[in-house]
Amino acid sequence: RKEVEQDPGPFNVPEGATVAFNCTYSNSASQSFFWYRQDCRKEPKLLMSVYSSGNEDGRFTAQLNRASQYISLLIRDSKLSDSATYLCVAVNTGGFKTIFGAGTRLFVKA
Amino acid sequence: EAGVAQSPRYKIIEKRQSVAFWCNPISGHATLYWYQQILGQGPKLLIQFQNNGVVDDSQLPKDRFSAERLKGVDSTLKIQPAKLEDSAVYLCASSYQTSSYNEQFFGPGTRLTVL
Repeated sequence: RKEVEQDPGPFNVPEGATVAFNCTYSNSASQSFFWYRQDCRKEPKLLMSVYSSGNEDGRFTAQLNRASQYISLLIRDSKLSDSATYLCVAVNTGGFKTIFGAGTRLFVKA
Repeated sequence: EAGVAQSPRYKIIEKRQSVAFWCNPISGHATLYWYQQILGQGPKLLIQFQNNGVVDDSQLPKDRFSAERLKGVDSTLKIQPAKLEDSAVYLCASSYQTSSYNEQFFGPGTRLTVL
């Protein structure tokens, strides 16, 4: 079983739609969680951190459920520019052993 | 502020040949990471340095891969000899320090094709 698992998609949604991605992790030593965004043939870039209390940044909301060991990302009012691969990331205590999920592909169409 | 620099951007070699990649992290960043990203997969951490010391190399295939970070700044990753399955993008990243909460900044990557 992979330490961080994501639905690979692709998710095909129209502009303006709300879309949600989930990610599960198996290592209880995972302490910190992030969502990174990766455009085609580009490097990953941090989208947002994920906290148990929830984290909202504009149209993006991230949530962590430690009891169930899953992380979610909600995108509201999708834009064409949101089309990308979204990578779920878990980091162990102390900043060691960064584990990336395989990513979820999102296509937003006009 | 200059980002993470990597070279070369592309490399094509034949199997059993050797190859080396270079990375220059963001100035002041103590932690440097090398990742391997195979097409369709997420980045896989190969090695993590804190200054010039290795803090995690558990997923580095040490029979063929080696990495060093002399003087705690630039780093090189070497593959010797290369195999077909090493074809991937090799990403270098850096962060201010080793901490659960530090953002990792990635370079553009080196795309390696092994024929």
